[in-house]
Amino acid sequence: GENVEQHPSTLSVQEGDSAVIKCTYSDSASNYFPWYKQELGKGPQLIIDIRSNVGEKKDQRIAVTLNKTAKHFSLHITETQPEDSAVYFCAASNYQLIWGAGTKLIIKP
Amino acid sequence: GAGVSQTPSNKVTEKGKYVELRCDPISGHTALYWYRQSLGQGPEFLIYFQGTGAADDSGLPNDRFFAVRPEGSVSTLKIQRTERGDSAVYLCASSSSPSSYEQYFGPGTRLTVT
Repeated sequence: GENVEQHPSTLSVQEGDSAVIKCTYSDSASNYFPWYKQELGKGPQLIIDIRSNVGEKKDQRIAVTLNKTAKHFSLHITETQPEDSAVYFCAASNYQLIWGAGTKLIIKP
Repeated sequence: GAGVSQTPSNKVTEKGKYVELRCDPISGHTALYWYRQSLGQGPEFLIYFQGTGAADDSGLPNDRFFAVRPEGSVSTLKIQRTERGDSAVYLCASSSSPSSYEQYFGPGTRLTVT
């Protein structure tokens, strides 16, 4: 079955700098790759996703890249702000979401 | 519009008791998912409904766990003879259809078994 690994587990960056979180997956049949942001005490919030027929997608300060050959995808956040502090999860799906273990992003003022 | 809602937000129960957790999906969403999330981990799939039927219940850990969605909207996750290991946040998500992929999550129910 699918296995998703996510790195790093914790990431601390200075406000205004960029943050990059990386994930790898094992099942070549996976064709949908969402990223979720989870704040304390809340459910995961879908922030961006990418499908297997696309290599990159951007939405304002957030971008996701996908390398299907290498089976890895990454989340890029530019010009980080304090409200970006949260736990971020990647997932891979054929139809069932398989999740990474999460990255705690800390934005230092 | 209204998102996914879950009730109760917190539930404390004694070991051995029965609990029910409720999920109200986004109106019109036909696909509904239950997940369990332990502290510091990603959500773990439990069960998926398409309409009224459970299309995939392979994530249910054992026969103490059961879920229903009798009218294709609201779903109830039922846990019998609760154990301390069942303590977790139970998340519900809905999707407009199975092929749409995007899942939208509720705030979760934090279950504590004492």
